[in-house]
Amino acid sequence: AQSVSQHNHHVILSEAASLELGCNYSYGGTVNLFWYVQYPGQHLQLLLKYFSGDPLVKGIKGFEAEFIKSKFSFNLRKPSVQWSDTAEYFCAVKAGGYNKLIFGAGTRLAVHP
Amino acid sequence: ETGVTQTPRHLVMGMTNKKSLKCEQHLGHNAMYWYKQSAKKPLELMFVYSLEERVENNSVPSRFSPECPNSSHLFLHLHTLQPEDSALYLCASSQELLADGDYGYTFGSGTRLTVV
Repeated sequence: AQSVSQHNHHVILSEAASLELGCNYSYGGTVNLFWYVQYPGQHLQLLLKYFSGDPLVKGIKGFEAEFIKSKFSFNLRKPSVQWSDTAEYFCAVKAGGYNKLIFGAGTRLAVHP
Repeated sequence: ETGVTQTPRHLVMGMTNKKSLKCEQHLGHNAMYWYKQSAKKPLELMFVYSLEERVENNSVPSRFSPECPNSSHLFLHLHTLQPEDSALYLCASSQELLADGDYGYTFGSGTRLTVV
């Protein structure tokens, strides 16, 4: 069965620090990959997605992610975080038919001013 | 608002109660989903409806009963729940049939369920 693993459950950073959140998936076929973000008290929203082509994907708010097929990874990065990036981040993979998304457990990011 | 509306936002129910969660979308999407979000666990896919037909049931206990009367509405009927069923229940919708492969979900804000 497909699965998604996020390595860090909690990350604490100071403003302007660089961010990298790990995501690994297990699925042997063609994958579609996503990062979603959930700000405190808000709904889950799409940050970026990968379908094909350039493995370096740019999303909203300065986030990017790199798909490395050989490592089954799709890590999320941001060069300089802000306090407003405090949120929970979820990696997801589209698995099989009917647009079924399998999510990781999430990484809770806290950015201190 | 995201275009996917869930009601109620909060629900407290006893183990012998019967209640229903409602999800409504007016985005023209043709697929709808129920997920369970518990602390420190991955979002768990519960049910998938495509064109109002249930196409996935991920070994969910029968005390959870989904209903999709039309493409805009999705319900989750609850009865004789257990305290471990307390969680945030999220509804999502998507348009599966787009040629460009844009499979992103639109999520509702969720219903925070507490079983006492």
